[in-house]
Amino acid sequence: DVKVTQSSRYLVKRTGEKVFLECVQDMDHENMFWYRQDPGLGLRLIYFSYDVKMKEKGDIPEGYSVSREKKERFSLILESASTNQTSMYLCASISPTDSNQPQHFGDGTRLSIL
Amino acid sequence: AQTVTQSQPEMSVQEAETVTLSCTYDTSESDYYLFWYKQPPSRQMILVIRQEAYKQQNATENRFSVNFQKAAKSFSLKISDSQLGDAAMYFCAYKPGTYKYIFGTGTRLKVLA
Repeated sequence: DVKVTQSSRYLVKRTGEKVFLECVQDMDHENMFWYRQDPGLGLRLIYFSYDVKMKEKGDIPEGYSVSREKKERFSLILESASTNQTSMYLCASISPTDSNQPQHFGDGTRLSIL
Repeated sequence: AQTVTQSQPEMSVQEAETVTLSCTYDTSESDYYLFWYKQPPSRQMILVIRQEAYKQQNATENRFSVNFQKAAKSFSLKISDSQLGDAAMYFCAYKPGTYKYIFGTGTRLKVLA
């Protein structure tokens, strides 16, 4: 079974801090995603990576960056955290050859910026 | 623009009854995939059911079935014999041939004992 692991379930940081959210998958998937989940807004794509060191901006990339140095690990970086980045963050992965397959999600990280 | 609309922010159903969650989407594509995901209070998103647009037959998974109306761009989820464990957020998602998945805003389902 595919396992997508996010390093923290809950995280509290201060405004202006640099914040790292880590995601690791164990199924050798090429495609990995970072979403933000807010009530009434559903899931919105922040960044997508289709291979090591390759990335594409999603719908709401402002204030975020990503890193994919190894295939299994996809990191989301908040360069200078702000209170409007308080949210639930979800990581997901999938193989690009599995077009009709669902994404596999991690448990999510609930991030609070004070 | 490709969008997914879930018009019911919250629904309630009595245990053992049937409930239908609605989803509509906007696309000019002819080939795509549709999914219903469930997010229980423990938060991990899991797949409930999927549908390929080129298949006319509605997908069914045990107590879960869909009513896929391609011309109307509608993809509703029917849950039969509702159970307490069905209580969750349900997200409809649309995937064209690219990598991108587009999610609706979700419907919170409450199951009443």
